[in-house]
Amino acid sequence: DAGITQSPRHKVTETGTPVTLRCHQTENHRYMYWYRQDPGHGLRLIHYSYGVKDTDKGEVSDGYSVSRSKTEDFLLTLESATSSQTSVYFCAITSGTGHNSPLHFGNGTRLTVT
Amino acid sequence: DAKTTQPPSMDCAEGRAANLPCNHSTISGNEYVYWYRQIHSQGPQYIIHGLKNNETNEMASLIITEDRKSSTLILPHATLRDTAVYYCIVLIQGAQKLVFGQGTRLTINP
Repeated sequence: DAGITQSPRHKVTETGTPVTLRCHQTENHRYMYWYRQDPGHGLRLIHYSYGVKDTDKGEVSDGYSVSRSKTEDFLLTLESATSSQTSVYFCAITSGTGHNSPLHFGNGTRLTVT
Repeated sequence: DAKTTQPPSMDCAEGRAANLPCNHSTISGNEYVYWYRQIHSQGPQYIIHGLKNNETNEMASLIITEDRKSSTLILPHATLRDTAVYYCIVLIQGAQKLVFGQGTRLTINP
Protein backbone atom coordinates (compact mmCIF):
# COMPACT_ATOMS: atom_id res chain seq x y z
CA ASP A 1 0.00 0.00 0.00
CA ALA A 2 3.01 2.30 -0.52
CA GLY A 3 2.97 3.45 3.09
CA ILE A 4 -0.52 4.96 3.04
CA THR A 5 -2.93 4.61 5.93
CA GLN A 6 -6.49 5.87 5.79
CA SER A 7 -8.56 6.25 8.93
CA PRO A 8 -11.15 5.35 9.83
CA ARG A 9 -11.74 2.45 7.43
CA HIS A 10 -15.48 2.56 8.03
CA LYS A 11 -17.72 5.25 9.47
CA VAL A 12 -21.44 5.77 9.84
CA THR A 13 -22.60 9.26 10.68
CA GLU A 14 -25.79 11.26 10.70
CA THR A 15 -26.78 14.01 8.32
CA GLY A 16 -25.54 17.41 9.45
CA THR A 17 -22.63 16.18 11.54
CA PRO A 18 -19.01 17.09 10.77
CA VAL A 19 -16.70 14.31 9.65
CA THR A 20 -12.94 14.25 9.16
CA LEU A 21 -11.10 11.57 7.24
CA ARG A 22 -7.37 11.19 7.62
CA CYS A 23 -4.72 10.10 5.16
CA HIS A 24 -1.30 9.41 6.57
CA GLN A 25 1.78 8.59 4.48
CA THR A 26 5.25 7.45 5.45
CA GLU A 27 6.84 8.07 2.04
CA ASN A 28 7.53 11.81 2.44
CA HIS A 29 5.81 12.38 -0.91
CA ARG A 30 4.94 15.92 -1.88
CA TYR A 31 1.60 15.30 -3.62
CA MET A 32 -1.54 13.93 -1.98
CA TYR A 33 -5.06 13.49 -3.33
CA TRP A 34 -8.57 12.70 -2.19
CA TYR A 35 -10.92 10.82 -4.53
CA ARG A 36 -14.43 9.50 -4.02
CA GLN A 37 -15.83 6.47 -5.77
CA ASP A 38 -19.50 5.88 -6.46
CA PRO A 39 -21.33 3.36 -8.62
CA GLY A 40 -21.81 4.73 -12.11
CA HIS A 41 -19.34 7.58 -11.59
CA GLY A 42 -16.01 5.85 -11.10
CA LEU A 43 -13.28 7.73 -9.27
CA ARG A 44 -13.64 11.50 -9.02
CA LEU A 45 -11.07 13.93 -7.66
CA ILE A 46 -12.21 16.01 -4.67
CA HIS A 47 -9.12 17.98 -3.63
CA TYR A 48 -5.38 17.63 -3.92
CA SER A 49 -2.28 19.04 -2.29
CA TYR A 50 1.09 19.85 -3.80
CA GLY A 51 2.80 20.68 -0.54
CA VAL A 52 2.27 21.73 3.05
CA LYS A 53 -0.51 24.31 3.16
CA ASP A 54 -0.85 24.16 -0.65
CA THR A 55 -4.12 22.68 -1.83
CA ASP A 56 -6.44 22.97 -4.78
CA LYS A 57 -9.90 21.86 -5.83
CA GLY A 58 -10.77 18.89 -7.95
CA GLU A 59 -13.91 18.25 -9.96
CA VAL A 60 -16.27 17.53 -7.02
CA SER A 61 -15.01 19.79 -4.24
CA ASP A 62 -18.34 21.31 -3.10
CA GLY A 63 -19.12 20.37 0.50
CA TYR A 64 -15.54 19.35 1.26
CA SER A 65 -12.51 21.09 2.71
CA VAL A 66 -8.96 19.87 3.18
CA SER A 67 -5.92 20.71 5.23
CA ARG A 68 -2.27 19.78 4.99
CA SER A 69 -0.31 21.08 7.96
CA LYS A 70 2.35 18.36 7.76
CA THR A 71 3.83 16.51 4.80
CA GLU A 72 2.58 13.18 6.07
CA ASP A 73 -1.06 14.06 6.78
CA PHE A 74 -3.86 15.16 4.45
CA LEU A 75 -7.24 15.65 6.09
CA LEU A 76 -10.60 15.70 4.33
CA THR A 77 -13.46 17.37 6.19
CA LEU A 78 -17.16 17.27 5.54
CA GLU A 79 -18.39 20.28 7.49
CA SER A 80 -22.01 19.10 7.50
CA ALA A 81 -22.39 15.63 6.07
CA THR A 82 -25.20 14.91 3.61
CA SER A 83 -26.53 11.61 2.28
CA SER A 84 -25.05 12.42 -1.13
CA GLN A 85 -21.61 12.18 0.46
CA THR A 86 -22.10 8.51 1.23
CA SER A 87 -19.23 7.01 -0.72
CA VAL A 88 -15.89 5.27 -0.60
CA TYR A 89 -13.05 7.76 -0.22
CA PHE A 90 -9.56 7.04 -1.46
CA CYS A 91 -6.35 8.87 -0.70
CA ALA A 92 -3.47 8.79 -3.16
CA ILE A 93 0.13 10.00 -3.10
CA THR A 94 2.96 10.57 -5.54
CA SER A 95 6.47 11.87 -5.28
CA GLY A 96 6.34 14.28 -8.18
CA THR A 97 4.95 15.26 -11.53
CA GLY A 98 7.36 13.36 -13.72
CA HIS A 99 6.00 10.58 -15.86
CA ASN A 100 7.74 8.02 -13.69
CA SER A 101 5.76 9.09 -10.64
CA PRO A 102 2.49 7.14 -10.72
CA LEU A 103 -0.13 7.55 -8.03
CA HIS A 104 -0.33 5.03 -5.22
CA PHE A 105 -3.64 4.60 -3.44
CA GLY A 106 -4.72 3.70 0.05
CA ASN A 107 -7.37 1.09 0.75
CA GLY A 108 -10.18 3.56 1.24
CA THR A 109 -12.66 4.77 3.84
CA ARG A 110 -16.25 3.68 3.49
CA LEU A 111 -18.50 6.50 4.74
CA THR A 112 -22.23 6.15 5.23
CA VAL A 113 -24.33 9.21 6.01
CA THR A 114 -27.77 8.34 7.35
CA ASP B 1 -6.67 15.43 -20.74
CA ALA B 2 -7.68 13.16 -23.60
CA LYS B 3 -10.73 10.97 -23.13
CA THR B 4 -10.40 7.19 -23.27
CA THR B 5 -12.85 4.53 -24.38
CA GLN B 6 -12.76 0.99 -23.06
CA PRO B 7 -15.14 -1.96 -23.39
CA PRO B 8 -17.24 -2.28 -20.23
CA SER B 9 -16.43 -5.94 -19.67
CA MET B 10 -14.29 -8.82 -20.91
CA ASP B 11 -13.74 -12.46 -20.05
CA CYS B 12 -10.56 -14.49 -20.28
CA ALA B 13 -9.64 -18.07 -19.43
CA GLU B 14 -7.14 -18.66 -16.67
CA GLY B 15 -3.63 -19.16 -18.06
CA ARG B 16 -4.36 -17.38 -21.31
CA ALA B 17 -3.24 -13.90 -22.28
CA ALA B 18 -5.72 -11.14 -21.48
CA ASN B 19 -5.67 -8.30 -24.01
CA LEU B 20 -7.45 -5.15 -22.88
CA PRO B 21 -7.96 -2.46 -25.52
CA CYS B 22 -8.20 1.28 -25.03
CA ASN B 23 -8.98 4.00 -27.55
CA HIS B 24 -7.56 7.49 -27.02
CA SER B 25 -7.96 9.04 -30.45
CA THR B 26 -7.56 12.63 -29.20
CA ILE B 27 -4.32 12.01 -27.35
CA SER B 28 -1.73 14.77 -27.58
CA GLY B 29 1.96 14.34 -28.19
CA ASN B 30 2.94 14.94 -24.60
CA GLU B 31 0.29 12.72 -23.00
CA TYR B 32 1.24 9.41 -21.45
CA VAL B 33 -0.96 6.32 -21.34
CA TYR B 34 -1.34 4.87 -17.83
CA TRP B 35 -3.04 1.69 -16.73
CA TYR B 36 -4.41 1.02 -13.27
CA ARG B 37 -6.56 -1.76 -11.92
CA GLN B 38 -8.89 -2.03 -8.97
CA ILE B 39 -9.63 -5.28 -7.27
CA HIS B 40 -12.92 -5.32 -5.41
CA SER B 41 -12.95 -3.09 -2.31
CA GLN B 42 -9.28 -2.12 -2.66
CA GLY B 43 -7.63 1.08 -3.87
CA PRO B 44 -6.52 1.32 -7.51
CA GLN B 45 -3.16 -0.24 -8.25
CA TYR B 46 -0.67 1.14 -10.77
CA ILE B 47 0.25 -1.34 -13.51
CA ILE B 48 2.25 0.32 -16.27
CA HIS B 49 2.56 3.44 -18.41
CA GLY B 50 4.12 4.55 -21.68
CA LEU B 51 4.45 7.38 -24.19
CA LYS B 52 4.97 5.83 -27.61
CA ASN B 53 7.22 2.82 -27.22
CA ASN B 54 5.97 -0.54 -26.06
CA GLU B 55 6.65 -1.18 -22.39
CA THR B 56 6.94 -4.31 -20.28
CA ASN B 57 7.28 -4.86 -16.57
CA GLU B 58 6.73 -7.70 -14.16
CA MET B 59 2.97 -7.25 -14.26
CA ALA B 60 2.09 -6.58 -17.88
CA SER B 61 3.00 -5.31 -21.34
CA LEU B 62 1.71 -2.16 -22.96
CA ILE B 63 1.43 -1.95 -26.72
CA ILE B 64 0.81 1.53 -28.16
CA THR B 65 -0.06 1.89 -31.84
CA GLU B 66 2.21 3.94 -34.02
CA ASP B 67 -0.35 6.75 -34.34
CA ARG B 68 -0.86 6.55 -30.53
CA LYS B 69 -4.62 6.57 -30.91
CA SER B 70 -5.05 3.25 -29.17
CA SER B 71 -3.24 0.88 -26.86
CA THR B 72 -3.53 -2.63 -25.49
CA LEU B 73 -2.66 -3.87 -22.04
CA ILE B 74 -1.53 -7.48 -22.07
CA LEU B 75 -1.54 -9.74 -19.05
CA PRO B 76 0.49 -12.64 -20.46
CA HIS B 77 -0.75 -15.48 -18.24
CA ALA B 78 -3.92 -14.40 -16.50
CA THR B 79 -4.76 -15.80 -13.09
CA LEU B 80 -7.94 -15.64 -11.05
CA ARG B 81 -6.33 -12.86 -8.99
CA ASP B 82 -6.25 -10.67 -12.10
CA THR B 83 -10.04 -10.33 -11.97
CA ALA B 84 -10.52 -6.59 -11.51
CA VAL B 85 -11.62 -3.36 -13.17
CA TYR B 86 -8.87 -2.02 -15.43
CA TYR B 87 -8.59 1.70 -16.12
CA CYS B 88 -6.81 3.29 -19.06
CA ILE B 89 -5.90 6.95 -18.48
CA VAL B 90 -4.01 9.52 -20.51
CA LEU B 91 -2.10 12.17 -18.65
CA ILE B 92 0.03 15.13 -19.58
CA GLN B 93 3.51 14.90 -18.14
CA GLY B 94 3.65 17.24 -15.20
CA ALA B 95 -0.05 16.98 -14.49
CA GLN B 96 -1.15 14.67 -11.75
CA LYS B 97 -4.91 15.00 -11.78
CA LEU B 98 -5.84 11.56 -12.97
CA VAL B 99 -9.31 11.39 -14.46
CA PHE B 100 -10.72 7.88 -14.31
CA GLY B 101 -13.29 6.60 -16.79
CA GLN B 102 -15.53 3.61 -16.24
CA GLY B 103 -12.85 1.05 -17.05
CA THR B 104 -13.13 -2.57 -18.20
CA ARG B 105 -14.33 -5.22 -15.80
CA LEU B 106 -12.09 -8.21 -16.56
CA THR B 107 -13.21 -11.61 -15.32
CA ILE B 108 -10.76 -14.48 -15.36
CA ASN B 109 -12.56 -17.80 -15.58
CA PRO B 110 -11.12 -21.10 -14.30
